[in-house]
Amino acid sequence: EVQLVESGGGLVQPGGSLRLSCAASGFTFSSYAMSWVRQAPGKGLEWVSAISGSGGSTYYADSVKGRFTISRDNSKNTLYLQMNSLRAEDTAVYYCAKGGYDILTGYWLDVWGKGTTVTVSS
Amino acid sequence: QSALTQPASVSGSPGQSITISCTGTSSDVGSYNLVSWYQQHPGKAPKLMIYEGSKRPSGVSNRFSGSKSGNTASLTISGLQAEDEADYYCCSYAGSSTVGVFGGGTKLTVL
Repeated sequence: EVQLVESGGGLVQPGGSLRLSCAASGFTFSSYAMSWVRQAPGKGLEWVSAISGSGGSTYYADSVKGRFTISRDNSKNTLYLQMNSLRAEDTAVYYCAKGGYDILTGYWLDVWGKGTTVTVSS
Repeated sequence: QSALTQPASVSGSPGQSITISCTGTSSDVGSYNLVSWYQQHPGKAPKLMIYEGSKRPSGVSNRFSGSKSGNTASLTISGLQAEDEADYYCCSYAGSSTVGVFGGGTKLTVL
């Protein structure tokens, strides 16, 4: 069974940092691009970041560029999102998602985790 | 990276058909046949319903279909069922240097 399990969410003060992890199983992890998508309370979906299957290419939304870093460890089947300089507007449920292809952003997201909640507040 | 435009809400009675539109630009929807659609029930993760504009993943009912004309993509749900009541999001590939762009979401109510 294909499965994605996020962890690392929590409460952090504005300006703080947090690292999210996503453990993947049930598919050849290195063969697919992976992404992080977030959803603020009561709001829609926002594609935050993506990484190619090899890890050689990364992509970011303008809203997080320069503050967030996506990475992956294909030997551990794990995706990461390092979030620095966090702001109140980064408060959201963060979903890990599997892309449809290994290149670029994977074009679509065919498997999603259940999400992990990040709250930025003093 | 402007969001795609979707109607905030649509409704229909059981057995009827509804269509949700998703309008983008010539830089996203209009340039690529890479629109995907996601269904999200309250408190749940999104689920892929349509990819590459009109393809259905295994296990998705053939009551769901997708199409595109110019800068506008559409999701049609035929034979509405109570379980179809959910939020629906479109998403488009937007080029090789950026992430995809989502629509604002459409709440489907089955009357």
